[in-house]
Amino acid sequence: SAVISQKPSRDICQRGTSLTIQCQVDSQVTMMFWYRQQPGQSLTLIATANQGSEATYESGFVIDKFPISRPNLTFSTLTVSNMSPEDSSIYLCSVGVSRDSNYGYTFGSGTRLTVV
Amino acid sequence: QKEVEQDPGPLSVPEGAIVSLNCTYSNSAFQYFMWYRQYSRKGPELLMYTYSSGNKEDGRFTAQVDKSSKYISLFIRDSQPSDSATYLCAMTITGANSKLTFGKGITLSVRP
Repeated sequence: SAVISQKPSRDICQRGTSLTIQCQVDSQVTMMFWYRQQPGQSLTLIATANQGSEATYESGFVIDKFPISRPNLTFSTLTVSNMSPEDSSIYLCSVGVSRDSNYGYTFGSGTRLTVV
Repeated sequence: QKEVEQDPGPLSVPEGAIVSLNCTYSNSAFQYFMWYRQYSRKGPELLMYTYSSGNKEDGRFTAQVDKSSKYISLFIRDSQPSDSATYLCAMTITGANSKLTFGKGITLSVRP
C-alpha cells in the first residue's frame, strides 16, 4: 500500500490568512483526493487532483478558496485561503491503492486546522 | 435524505462482545463498499472492502452487503479495547479512482 506523509499535522491560524497543506506519496499515483472532516460530520470530498491538469472540485468548493497544485505524480498541495473560523476542520489527502486484488483508498494522517 | 446514513453513536460494549455496525444508502449505483477505522488524531485506515453483495471475513471482522436492501454491516467478534475507534462506512460507484461517499461514523468504546 502507498504511504502518505502529510504536513503540517496541526496549525492554529488567524482569520484572513492562508495555509498550505502538503501530501507526499511514496509511489506514483494518478489521482489524489482532498477531503474535509468537520467536527461530528462525515468526510466530504473537496476536489480530485490529476497530475498535469486542473483539479476537479465538488459542489460547494471553489478553486479560489481551495487552490490545489499537483506538480508531479507523488506530491500535491491544498491551500485554504482567506480563512474564517468555519474552515476549522481536519483536512486529509487520499490515494487509491490495491490490496489483495481489491481496490481501496489510503489516507494521510490529516491536518487539524483551527482558525481563530 | 443523505446518500449514506450510519447508525448514530457512541457505542460502548464490554470486552469480548460482538459488535454490529450498520449503514444504509440510497444510491443503487454504489457497488464498492468499505469500512474504515479511525483512531483519534489519525487518518482513516481501510479495514474491509467488499464488491457487490455478499459476506467477507477477515479475522474477527465480517463485512456484509445486501444490495437489495441497500444495507451494509460490519461485525466485530470478541471485541478488544484496541478496537476502540471511530468506524466509518464508505462506498463508491466505480471503484478505482472514484469519489468515496462516507457515513458520519460511529465511535466505539470497548471496556476492559
